[in-house]
Amino acid sequence: DTEVTQTPKHLVMGMTNKKSLKCEQHMGHRAMYWYKQKAKKPPELMFVYSYEKLSINESVPSRFSPECPNSSLLNLHLHALQPEDSALYLCASSQWTSVTNYGYTFGSGTRLTVV
Amino acid sequence: SQKIEQNSEALNIQEGKTATLTCNYTNYSPAYLQWYRQDPGRGPVFLLLIRENEKEKRKERLKVTFDTTLKQSLFHITASQPADSATYLCALDIRDQTGANNLFFGTGTRLTVIP
Repeated sequence: DTEVTQTPKHLVMGMTNKKSLKCEQHMGHRAMYWYKQKAKKPPELMFVYSYEKLSINESVPSRFSPECPNSSLLNLHLHALQPEDSALYLCASSQWTSVTNYGYTFGSGTRLTVV
Repeated sequence: SQKIEQNSEALNIQEGKTATLTCNYTNYSPAYLQWYRQDPGRGPVFLLLIRENEKEKRKERLKVTFDTTLKQSLFHITASQPADSATYLCALDIRDQTGANNLFFGTGTRLTVIP
């Protein structure tokens, strides 16, 4: 299995809702990431988990809450979002080793619309 | 501040010609530089990785160069085809203080190959 699977593919939520985005990989990668991508912009790093521990939080608002239950799963919990949070949310994983030649593997993303 | 800039937001090229994309960065010391392809509504797909001690890397019709003195990478697609039309993203792989690798993207170049 060489894929990163993200669910759901599309999500529409109200500003008072609570929802979660899910990400799964079975490549044995030990680092997993959440990115946010707005239209015609590059992906922006939000969170990094390495060996299931949160390594970096790029000053993301607390209405986004990441969780890494195990080495294969990554969740992003959403609460009280704003319309400007509407974007494509991408999950990625990497081998996190200096000998890699395979780059990072990205999922197809969740298209989130906040109404 | 740290920046990763790709010199063209959009590039149009005739089929069969060589497309050359440029990536410049400031205030980074990357372990690796990577290039990705992204199609609309999809996650980035890894193409090539080049290490800081490598000057050039090739894969089929793709070639990447890396000049750490100039802080610049060039990405070439030879014998371009309409199917090569996509957004191409350079990305720097930076090791943070915890030892985890983090990927930061450039601004992207939207390439259109005209038949």
